[in-house]
Amino acid sequence: QKEVEQNSGPLSVPEGAIASLNCTYSDRGSQSFFWYRQYSGKSPELIMFIYSNGDKEDGRFTAQLNKASQYVSLLIRDSQPSDSATYLCAVMVNTGFQKLVFGTGTRLLVSP
Amino acid sequence: DTAVSQTPKYLVTQMGNDKSIKCEQNLGHDTMYWYKQDSKKFLKIMFSYNNKELIINETVPNRFSPKSPDKAHLNLHINSLELGDSAVYFCASSQDGGRTFYNEQFFGPGTRLTVL
Repeated sequence: QKEVEQNSGPLSVPEGAIASLNCTYSDRGSQSFFWYRQYSGKSPELIMFIYSNGDKEDGRFTAQLNKASQYVSLLIRDSQPSDSATYLCAVMVNTGFQKLVFGTGTRLLVSP
Repeated sequence: DTAVSQTPKYLVTQMGNDKSIKCEQNLGHDTMYWYKQDSKKFLKIMFSYNNKELIINETVPNRFSPKSPDKAHLNLHINSLELGDSAVYFCASSQDGGRTFYNEQFFGPGTRLTVL
């Protein structure tokens, strides 16, 4: 089983819709969870960070964390074509020093 | 000003050659990383240095050797390049080595390595 799993997609949504991206992880001891956005040919950039169970909202983005079920999700409201990118879920794993373990990413396509 | 920079941006070379990628960060961070992103977009950590000390050394062939001359620079030297080394290599930096549970990592623009 991979440490961090995501559906590779593509996830296609129309402009203005809610995009829902999901991620599951295997390490029950993980404390921190990150969502990175990566445009084609560019580097990943952090868009959301969450460490407490529940929801965390930042503008059009909401991260949701359920540690009991070991999943974290990202909702994008009012999706825009500029949101089209690959979204990488990353989990902080403790191996002495902590390291980020990434999922393979979900490609999101927002059509006008 | 670029926060994390890498050179070169593209690197095309023959199998068996030796090559280096350089990374510099001007964020004043203590920790730097090398990641490899394969053709399926899987981003995997290779090495991490904290204040010039190697703290993460994943299962990577010993043909790959990182070097950190100071905490603002982290280089990656690759010996005897193989076809499977073709990937995008990202350098990143963060304020600390992940001792706290918030560890935002800032990525460089990447170096696309193609081994022919």
